[in-house]
Amino acid sequence: QQPVQSPQAVILREGEDAVINCSSSKALYSVHWYRQKHGEAPVFLMILLKGGEQKGHDKISASFNEKKQQSSLYLTASQLSYSGTYFCGTRSLNTDKLIFGTGTRLQVFP
Amino acid sequence: EAQVTQNPRYLITVTGKKLTVTCSQNMNHEYMSWYRQDPGLGLRQIYYSMNVEVTDKGDVPEGYKVSRKEKRNFPLILESPSPNQTSLYFCASALTRVGEQYFGPGTRLTVT
Repeated sequence: QQPVQSPQAVILREGEDAVINCSSSKALYSVHWYRQKHGEAPVFLMILLKGGEQKGHDKISASFNEKKQQSSLYLTASQLSYSGTYFCGTRSLNTDKLIFGTGTRLQVFP
Repeated sequence: EAQVTQNPRYLITVTGKKLTVTCSQNMNHEYMSWYRQDPGLGLRQIYYSMNVEVTDKGDVPEGYKVSRKEKRNFPLILESPSPNQTSLYFCASALTRVGEQYFGPGTRLTVT
């Protein structure tokens, strides 16, 4: 069962912040975040493991709420280069399948 | 250069004509996986492999086969392609099953 991402789309001005959420109905072992620019392959952003810490990557960070099986991706002071579609992938306990959400399209304008 | 390569990048074929999409990685990764991407559906895992000779079904394995005879290669085989397999296919690899996945450039397949 695919995780649910929200919102489906976000439009921002440069410098604004955004939050993308990822929610699963299953107990999760890990959450993976990727960004895909138009016409390109997905690129890894970060992984959050059960029991792990909140991760950060430049001005992009993420959290993992194990009790709610939810993860949030935080983009602060957005840049034009942040535009793209963001996917969360979830791995449940006792499985090696990685199931991706349907994506959140983020557009940053000058 | 560390990379995942896929061939061909574009393929147009007819229903029922067997085809193979190759995937190769030069990073000595244990884990490899195939995904298909369709508008509005995100990335869906077809098959994955934990190591040589170890493969397992992902979420949408019907109509596909894979093999992992060598660590670096993980070909995707469509024995009898159908129009509903028209899609963008990505191969990916990772050092371990929980690690960062490196994606290939994608193969756009059209089945008429």
